[in-house]
Amino acid sequence: DTAVSQTPKYLVTQMGNDKSIKCEQNLGHDTMYWYKQDSKKFLKIMFSYNNKELIINETVPNRFSPKSPDKAHLNLHINSLELGDSAVYFCASSLRDGTGELFFGEGSRLTVL
Amino acid sequence: DAKTTQPPSMDCAEGRAANLPCNHSTISGNEYVYWYRQIHSQGPQYIIHGLKNNETNEMASLIITEDRKSSTLILPHATLRDTAVYYCIVRRNYGGSQGNLIFGKGTKLSVKP
Repeated sequence: DTAVSQTPKYLVTQMGNDKSIKCEQNLGHDTMYWYKQDSKKFLKIMFSYNNKELIINETVPNRFSPKSPDKAHLNLHINSLELGDSAVYFCASSLRDGTGELFFGEGSRLTVL
Repeated sequence: DAKTTQPPSMDCAEGRAANLPCNHSTISGNEYVYWYRQIHSQGPQYIIHGLKNNETNEMASLIITEDRKSSTLILPHATLRDTAVYYCIVRRNYGGSQGNLIFGKGTKLSVKP
């Protein structure tokens, strides 16, 4: 069983479209995260959710909206996609907010044309 | 969070120990040293973390200097599968943004046959 799973793994879309990436964790963790890795390979945190509550938004444009239907899921919705949104997006989870190790998914590669 | 400095790249012969250094001269007393790695096209993977004592697990050993200004990750018998980018991260085990993992550029370790 995959601990943190993301779908889709690859997503190719046109500018201006709206898309979503789903994330699920079966570890029973309380906190989930979204990270973005750009073409220069820098990994930057976008959001974290603790028990379905947003606790961080690292100055990400409001076109990006995380949605957590329950504590095992954290989906990322992106509206009006731009070329600069092309990146690999990683979901992660941890047992508690701000402590211990993070478990990462395999990533979702988004390409905006 | 304190910044870390790592060499951009290192080579290691297969079967030999890989010693990856990290400087964190501005680390404060309540900050932990974490190590993650990212194998090509995969999500980051937790390796080990410590506060001030040396730590060992099934993957690696972490040696932290007495003044805590630097540390070394040791992979005792490197294999080709250990080729990856290794990230040294200093982090407070707090909630909210203070508990964020902030990734730098890391060290690209190439294990050669």
